[in-house]
Amino acid sequence: DTEVTQTPKHLVMGMTNKKSLKCEQHMGHRAMYWYKQKAKKPPELMFVYSYEKLSINESVPSRFSPECPNSSLLNLHLHALQPEDSALYLCASSQAEETYEQYFGPGTRLTVT
Amino acid sequence: QQPVQSPQAVILREGEDAVINCSSSKALYSVHWYRQKHGEAPVFLMILLKGGEQKGHDKISASFNEKKQQSSLYLTASQLSYSGTYFCGTGSYNTDKLIFGTGTRLQVFP
Repeated sequence: DTEVTQTPKHLVMGMTNKKSLKCEQHMGHRAMYWYKQKAKKPPELMFVYSYEKLSINESVPSRFSPECPNSSLLNLHLHALQPEDSALYLCASSQAEETYEQYFGPGTRLTVT
Repeated sequence: QQPVQSPQAVILREGEDAVINCSSSKALYSVHWYRQKHGEAPVFLMILLKGGEQKGHDKISASFNEKKQQSSLYLTASQLSYSGTYFCGTGSYNTDKLIFGTGTRLQVFP
């Protein structure tokens, strides 16, 4: 099974709301990633978890809070977002470091009103 | 720091060939290539490692010039299914970080 699943597919939230994005993989991958992608732009790395520990935080604002409860799950908690945070949020996983391919989930389309 | 891809866009007829280039300003350890169709997630195509090892697709080939910090993706005898946006992703040694290039939009027409 080479699938990464993400829920929800679409999310509309107000600037005062708190919501969470969920990502799951059952490939035994040890690295998991969150990316943000704006229309017609490349994916932009936000966070990397390696062996369930946060290894990279690309200076993401604190209104985005990642969590890795176990080796198969990755969450992104959202609070007090801004309209410019509207984007496609992609989760990915890989077997190891940069020498292995990343498998992407279908993404969550987030709209902040 | 973001790799630059060229061309920005390519239009092809079925059966034609294309080359997409990816150029980085920093030393590379690996280069990944992904294709993303509209409204879908990026899909892995190819990975090239410093030292020459390649992993990936047998219908698509790629090269990695470590000295010039460049990679090229070769699409031969293009099919309609090749349409999409192609991204290179560059990795540095001993890091999980992948930086995606500017992207090349490829459209194949019958």
